[in-house]
Amino acid sequence: GDQVKQSPSALSLQEGTNSALRCNFSIATTTVQWFLQNPRGSLMNLFYLVPGTKENGRLKSTFNSKESYSTLHIRDAQLEDSGTYFCAVNTGANTGKLTFGHGTILRVHP
Amino acid sequence: EAAVTQSPRNKVTVTGGNVTLSCRQTNSHNYMYWYRQDTGHGLRLIHYSYGAGNLQIGDVPDGYKATRTTQEDFFLLLELASPSQTSLYFCASSDVGRDTQYFGPGTRLLVL
Repeated sequence: GDQVKQSPSALSLQEGTNSALRCNFSIATTTVQWFLQNPRGSLMNLFYLVPGTKENGRLKSTFNSKESYSTLHIRDAQLEDSGTYFCAVNTGANTGKLTFGHGTILRVHP
Repeated sequence: EAAVTQSPRNKVTVTGGNVTLSCRQTNSHNYMYWYRQDTGHGLRLIHYSYGAGNLQIGDVPDGYKATRTTQEDFFLLLELASPSQTSLYFCASSDVGRDTQYFGPGTRLLVL
């Protein structure tokens, strides 16, 4: 089965609202990364997390290693937040091997 | 910001064809990676490298070879392309293994 599961698989938000994306994993990891793939296909890194919380503007992400999940909170969603959000966990100690979830497709509408 | 470039951006070949995808990073990163992205599978790691001359096998290596000629350049080789290799290919780099990965713009490959 999938070792990294993201939910929901798709989400539609009205501009200005808030939401949370979830990433559950069944493999041991010490780091979690979140990426946004924009509608043109480009992948941008959002967060690199060790256990704990980071915040960047309207985005906040938490990695809970004890319960094997991570969340990405989006506050005051904007149209440019639309795209596919991927979480990825590092499964190879210092090798950099990432296992990705299947992504959450987010559409922000006026 | 890390700079990772890929070429070509789009490629069409026929079954059995020989294809080389190129990736260059200009930030002196040690680690480089090749992924493929397919609907329903997310991104999957094909091969990766710790440095020039090094190659490590990823999670979906069958049908692919790779070569890291310099610290900057990492190539993905499809010597007998098959339609199942039609995909969007991404290259990425990171300074060390446990670090943020920076992705290139991707190469769309169509195997007819």
